[in-house]
Amino acid sequence: NAGVMQNPRHLVRRRGQEARLRCSPMKGHSHVYWYRQLPEEGLKFMVYLQKENIIDESGMPKERFSAEFPKEGPSILRIQQVVRGDSAAYFCASSPDRGGSPLHFGNGTRLTVT
Amino acid sequence: RKEVEQDPGPFNVPEGATVAFNCTYSNSASQSFFWYRQDCRKEPKLLMSVYSSGNEDGRFTAQLNRASQYISLLIRDSKLSDSATYLCVVKGDSSASKIIFGSGTRLSIRP
Repeated sequence: NAGVMQNPRHLVRRRGQEARLRCSPMKGHSHVYWYRQLPEEGLKFMVYLQKENIIDESGMPKERFSAEFPKEGPSILRIQQVVRGDSAAYFCASSPDRGGSPLHFGNGTRLTVT
Repeated sequence: RKEVEQDPGPFNVPEGATVAFNCTYSNSASQSFFWYRQDCRKEPKLLMSVYSSGNEDGRFTAQLNRASQYISLLIRDSKLSDSATYLCVVKGDSSASKIIFGSGTRLSIRP
């Protein structure tokens, strides 16, 4: 029973390049959440998606960042024209519903922008 | 005032000690509560849900006080492997922006 799968584990990009982070939720989970964590800081909510729909993107920067969760395949967090300040750990979590169930996290993608 | 507040610590206690953390939340409409632990450079992992009547899982006890709007985590007979950051999570309604993570309490268990 695979958990939440994220890839790649580590991603290095030069300034101005694009970063694509992928997340496959746990089996049976149709709700996906993306969080960003800077070193020595807490988790910051970015976006919440259900299949084919963005439910809440109040934590997403207005520019360069986008997310999708297509009918088939993993959820994708896309960062265009990366800058050094985008360097962080990006965690994806999934849950089976939007009620009282806890979130289950993937092991994260560590993005380094050089 | 932060929506979810935790004492950042660090708490440095000897092996075998009992340690307790509190977490306060500001939204009285919050519905679900959890404790997670996060090891350095790893993902948060669910430790336990927190129920209104309080609940226990081995050496860990969680309690919820709705009137005072705080939750607590008690760790008895602490082990070296308990060293981690403990995150308090409060879930409001169906909006994901109402899933609030505390900034965490760092715990270090010394031999």
